[in-house]
Amino acid sequence: KAGVTQTPRYLIKTRGQQVTLSCSPISGHRSVSWYQQTPGQGLQFLFEYFSETQRNKGNFPGRFSGRQFSNSRSEMNVSTLELGDSALYLCASSADRASTDTQYFGPGTRLTVL
Amino acid sequence: AQSVSQHNHHVILSEAASLELGCNYSYGGTVNLFWYVQYPGQHLQLLLKYFSGDPLVKGIKGFEAEFIKSKFSFNLRKPSVQWSDTAEYFCAANTGGFKTIFGAGTRLFVKA
Repeated sequence: KAGVTQTPRYLIKTRGQQVTLSCSPISGHRSVSWYQQTPGQGLQFLFEYFSETQRNKGNFPGRFSGRQFSNSRSEMNVSTLELGDSALYLCASSADRASTDTQYFGPGTRLTVL
Repeated sequence: AQSVSQHNHHVILSEAASLELGCNYSYGGTVNLFWYVQYPGQHLQLLLKYFSGDPLVKGIKGFEAEFIKSKFSFNLRKPSVQWSDTAEYFCAANTGGFKTIFGAGTRLFVKA
C-alpha cells in the first residue's frame, strides 16, 4: 500500500497570507490527524477527522481549520499567517478511531512564514 | 490538562551502551501509550505500544518499554544500542478521546 502523502512538501509564505495543506491517507484509512512539529515542542495536536467529521481539536486559534472529504483525504488551512506558524505540519492516518490504533505519518509539509 | 513529559532532550551514547529514555504522563484514567521514532530523513514510525495486558512491551529493533501505572511512567529501553539507533524518539499517550498527546522528543546520538 502507498503510504501517507502530503502536498506540498515545502511552502514559503509571508505574514498575513493564508495556506492550504493537503493529506492523502493510506487507502482504507478513515481517520486523519494533523500535528504541528517545532523544535523543542514535539508534536502539538491540531485536530482529528473521521468520516468527514472533526471529532477532536487541540488548543490552536481559530485561524487553523481543516476538513475531510468523502474519500478520506484531508486539508488544513491556516489563515492570516504569523511568523510563529513556521513549522513542520504532519498528517497521520489510522484505520479506525480506536485509541489503540497505530498512526501512520506522512513526510510533512515544511511551512516557512517570512 | 493531559501531558507527556520526556526527561531528556538530548542523549549521547557509545555503541553497545544500554539505553533508557524516560517518559511520564499525567492522566489518572485508562491510557494507551506509544513510542514513535523518527530516523534522519524518514517519517515518524511506531516502535511499540501498550494498551493492556503485560506491562512489559516489546517492539521492533530490540526495543522494549515498561508501563508502571503507579509511577505514571512508560520508559523505553534497549540493552545495547547501535549507531543506526540515532534518531529522535517520541513518547505519546491517548486517553480514548481520539487525541494523542506527544512529548517534546528525545534526540539520541550513538557514537560509532
